Amino acid sequence: QVHLVQSGAEVKKPGASVKVSCKTSGFTFSQYAVHWVRQAPGQSLEWMGWINGGNGNTRYSQKFQGRVTLTRDTSAGTAYMELSGLKSEDTAVYYCARSTFDIWGQGTLVTVSS
Amino acid sequence: DIQMTQSPSSLSASVGDRVTITCRAGQDISTFLNWYQQKPGTAPQLLIYAASRLQSGVPSNFSGSGSGTDFTLTISSLQAEDFATYYCQQSYSTPPTFGQGTKLEIK
Repeated sequence: QVHLVQSGAEVKKPGASVKVSCKTSGFTFSQYAVHWVRQAPGQSLEWMGWINGGNGNTRYSQKFQGRVTLTRDTSAGTAYMELSGLKSEDTAVYYCARSTFDIWGQGTLVTVSS
Repeated sequence: DIQMTQSPSSLSASVGDRVTITCRAGQDISTFLNWYQQKPGTAPQLLIYAASRLQSGVPSNFSGSGSGTDFTLTISSLQAEDFATYYCQQSYSTPPTFGQGTKLEIK
């Protein structure tokens, strides 16, 4: 079965960074891309970027350019999203999703609070 | 970025009702349109892709139609488990963008 399993909830102070992992199973990681999408409380979904599992190429939303870094460990079938310069407005659930958005991780709540 | 606009924002209906949700794209996106269902505290689930193709495992009372800029999601006979929030999303160009959501509530 195909699964994306994310790391647990995080609480961070403003200005800090957070790194969320997304471990995949049930498919060949290098043949797919992984998207990252976030959802602030009570809000819609917002795409942040994607990473090609094979060659590691990335594409970022302009909104997050310079603050987000997507990486992957092909041998571990795991993708990572690091967001720096955290602000209270970054409090959200962060999701990873497979390239066609057919499979999603369970989400990781990141809370930014002083 | 392509703006996606859903209507209505919320909808009250009863079990057994037929429900239609509309999504309008800010430009022609052909049929590069997905629909998702999201229940509280869970990740979105893909229902429909390419505007009208039913994702594997999704009940057949869900259907999608449209092309260009105007799309609809129809639930032919509402079941109790269908009360959720629904989102459309365009995959025509990067960045992929989502509608604001339609919350379907029990009347």
